[in-house]
Amino acid sequence: EDQVTQSPEALRLQEGESSSLNCSYTVSGLRGLFWYRQDPGKGPEFLFTLYSAGEEKEKERLKATLTKKESFLHITAPKPEDSATYLCAVQARDDKIIFGKGTRLHILP
Amino acid sequence: EPEVTQTPSHQVTQMGQEVILRCVPISNHLYFYWYRQILGQKVEFLVSFYNNEISEKSEIFDDQFSVERPDGSNFTLKIRSTKLEDSAMYFCAAVFSLSYEQYFGPGTRLTVT
Repeated sequence: EDQVTQSPEALRLQEGESSSLNCSYTVSGLRGLFWYRQDPGKGPEFLFTLYSAGEEKEKERLKATLTKKESFLHITAPKPEDSATYLCAVQARDDKIIFGKGTRLHILP
Repeated sequence: EPEVTQTPSHQVTQMGQEVILRCVPISNHLYFYWYRQILGQKVEFLVSFYNNEISEKSEIFDDQFSVERPDGSNFTLKIRSTKLEDSAMYFCAAVFSLSYEQYFGPGTRLTVT
């Protein structure tokens, strides 16, 4: 069964304290892995798409990496405005998109 | 950045009533999706739409649900006879390029009483 597991469920960091969020997946024929940011009461905001193991993408303080079994979202020197829920999703060969439950990130000033 | 809009922002309906949720992806799109997110739970895929046809649907998307493109631009999600458990945020999302970046709308909060 295709599934996506994100860890930790919640993470509290001090401003400037770098860390990583994990997304483990099992899927039949990965077509793409996506990272989103979701603020309370809003729709997910696209961050990255990764297609193959070894691929990396960066955007400001965020960097996403992909292996055959998991993806990491590294956040470097985070700021309070980076506080949000970060969602990971995979697109399987049958085009279905499966989301993880997300990691709630809280950056303390 | 491509924009997706949804109406209404909040819909309250009684159990058993039909509801229609609307979405407008601004500018051309390749794929179109509907999702739901029950409060405190993960985003769940409902249906994808490509070339004016349903390309994939989940187990959630049963006979109570239907999608249409009534006028060539708007997309609608219809729930024929709402149940209490249909209460959720409903998001539409559009893909505008082959990079499969999905742009989500702001969502419609559906409350079934």
